Amino acid sequence: AQSVSQHNHHVILSEAASLELGCNYSYGGTVNLFWYVQYPGQHLQLLLKYFSGDPLVKGIKGFEAEFIKSKFSFNLRKPSVQWSDTAEYFCAVNPYTDKLIFGTGTRLQVFP
Amino acid sequence: GAVVSQHPSRVICKSGTSVKIECRSLDFQATTMFWYRQFPKQSLMLMATSNEGSKATYEQGVEKDKFLINHASLTLSTLTVTSAHPEDSSFYICSARPSGPQTGTPYNEQFFGPGTRLTVL
Repeated sequence: AQSVSQHNHHVILSEAASLELGCNYSYGGTVNLFWYVQYPGQHLQLLLKYFSGDPLVKGIKGFEAEFIKSKFSFNLRKPSVQWSDTAEYFCAVNPYTDKLIFGTGTRLQVFP
Repeated sequence: GAVVSQHPSRVICKSGTSVKIECRSLDFQATTMFWYRQFPKQSLMLMATSNEGSKATYEQGVEKDKFLINHASLTLSTLTVTSAHPEDSSFYICSARPSGPQTGTPYNEQFFGPGTRLTVL
């Protein structure tokens, strides 16, 4: 079945540690890819998006993601996390339709 | 810019009553809005796509008679949960997609509302 998978359900890090969150999708053909963040008590915000071109995408707050077409992956990275990055992170895929299909989410906790 | 609001932010109701949730795009027009449902510690599940001036398109497994959607204007979509039951308790989130193409992208980004927490007793 077509889906979006986030393998890390809960990640706990200390400040300054590096972060990589996995995202894999199973849709064929052209897709648009997104990472959203949901801070505690707040609404979803777009971190970054990929449509075409350079597969390394830079987003807000120091986040970046790399699209690897052969692996159907769009992993999110940040070299040094901060306590304020504590949030829920969602990968989403738009398989060239109106719809956004979300992954199950990864809860990130960063301790000082 | 691109702010989406939802009202109410939180509602508690008795079983059997109907609840209406509003989704408004405050500074842009949205031909298309989307309604999602999020269970605790789970992802967002698309319930339906709401198109201004036409019937909503529901995802498989979503009861259209249970979740009534009306998109009467380019800035407002409403979701009415009819005859709510405790299993309808959830976090309902809407998003709005600006009408017309955005510069440089083939896809109009969705902007999300803050969500509505529905608790049915």
